[in-house]
Amino acid sequence: EIVLTQSPATLSLSPGERAIFSCRSSQSVGSYLAWYQQRPGQAPRLLIYDASSRATGIPARFSGSGSGTDFTLTISSLEPEDFAIYYCQQFFTFGPGTRVDV
Amino acid sequence: QVQLVESGGGVVQPGRSLRLSCAASGFSFSYYGMHWVRQAPGEGLEWVAVISFDGSNKYADSVKGRFIISRDNSKNTLYLQMNSLRTEDTAVYFCAKVSAGGGISFDYWGQGTLVTVSS
Repeated sequence: EIVLTQSPATLSLSPGERAIFSCRSSQSVGSYLAWYQQRPGQAPRLLIYDASSRATGIPARFSGSGSGTDFTLTISSLEPEDFAIYYCQQFFTFGPGTRVDV
Repeated sequence: QVQLVESGGGVVQPGRSLRLSCAASGFSFSYYGMHWVRQAPGEGLEWVAVISFDGSNKYADSVKGRFIISRDNSKNTLYLQMNSLRTEDTAVYFCAKVSAGGGISFDYWGQGTLVTVSS
């Protein structure tokens, strides 16, 4: 069973700053990794699939990288609406999430 | 546009049953695998079950033997039959569509339906 670990648990940042999220898998998953954003009271929204491909309608400030066991989601410059929780996912497993706070 | 609308949530006593529905529109439902994902209050996302376009399915260990995922392609509807409910099944249940082009991601999600298991 694959286990996904996300770090840090919380990021405290300001609008305009860069946010970097880490997701580590307990075994190699190739490029089969996705990232989601979840705002309070809303359903998750797909940001990145196949480790580095942006989903439809996702702004260019979101980018993903990595393969194997180590993956990164980067938001180049935080907008007010980006303060949310971010989850990585591989098949039937989600990471515990990283919260971005002001 | 793609829409997924869950229904059927509510308050139920431990040991009882509940059936959730997810009405799909805006895409060729019969061609896509569909998932249920849940989120307990204040917690993260937990994958529950998947049904492929051909009806094969898989379950999380936490629900195996108690939950049944099914689909009716003629009605563009996904179901989750939940039996022998436990307090730890309390969560918002989301249905989600497998991304176009396959892969492991979910490109559309419903708004969720809340299931509360309590005596």
